[in-house]
Amino acid sequence: AQTVTQSQPEMSVQEAETVTLSCTYDTSENNYYLFWYKQPPSRQMILVIRQEAYKQQNATENRFSVNFQKAAKSFSLKISDSQLGDTAMYFCAFMNYGGSQGNLIFGKGTKLSVKP
Amino acid sequence: NAGVTQTPKFRILKIGQSMTLQCTQDMNHNYMYWYRQDPGMGLKLIYYSVGAGITDKGEVPNGYNVSRSTTEDFPLRLELAAPSQTSVYFCASSYGGLATIDTQYFGPGTRLTVL
Repeated sequence: AQTVTQSQPEMSVQEAETVTLSCTYDTSENNYYLFWYKQPPSRQMILVIRQEAYKQQNATENRFSVNFQKAAKSFSLKISDSQLGDTAMYFCAFMNYGGSQGNLIFGKGTKLSVKP
Repeated sequence: NAGVTQTPKFRILKIGQSMTLQCTQDMNHNYMYWYRQDPGMGLKLIYYSVGAGITDKGEVPNGYNVSRSTTEDFPLRLELAAPSQTSVYFCASSYGGLATIDTQYFGPGTRLTVL
């Protein structure tokens, strides 16, 4: 069974600085997708970034980028120039290509606090 | 375009009561999902639907039922509420499923407490 592990329950960063959130996963599959979701205090789940496993190039979305290490099964999220609005829970998620439709496997989350 | 809406926002049930959590999306998405989020945990898939009239079980379906009579609506039914069903419930939708690996858009959630 696939599992997703986020080893940092809580992190904090000063505004304008850079922070990296860790995520590791376990799978025997070769084709899959990885996601980072943000859940602010409003509880809405917002997709931050996604990565297809077959792509070697790391995904980037504005201030958010990932470091995808397929052999190490690692998928970390880097937030540059942190803003107060980045304060939220961040969930790493895995979806197996070809498995159950929509069966996202989530990690337990990392609570990020951005301090002024 | 309201996206994914859920009602109610909060609900307290007594053990053995029943209720329906409503979910509606106005994006003409084919795929809809129900998740639950327990404290300190990620989301777990309860049920999903790939289109009107078609539903299937997710990771934790016991104690729940769903129906999908229209593209827009995907209600979740709890028949005999138990304390273990105390959780926050999220509905989500996406245009495509795995073939297009489309983004799932989430509703604001329903906080359910069973006493």
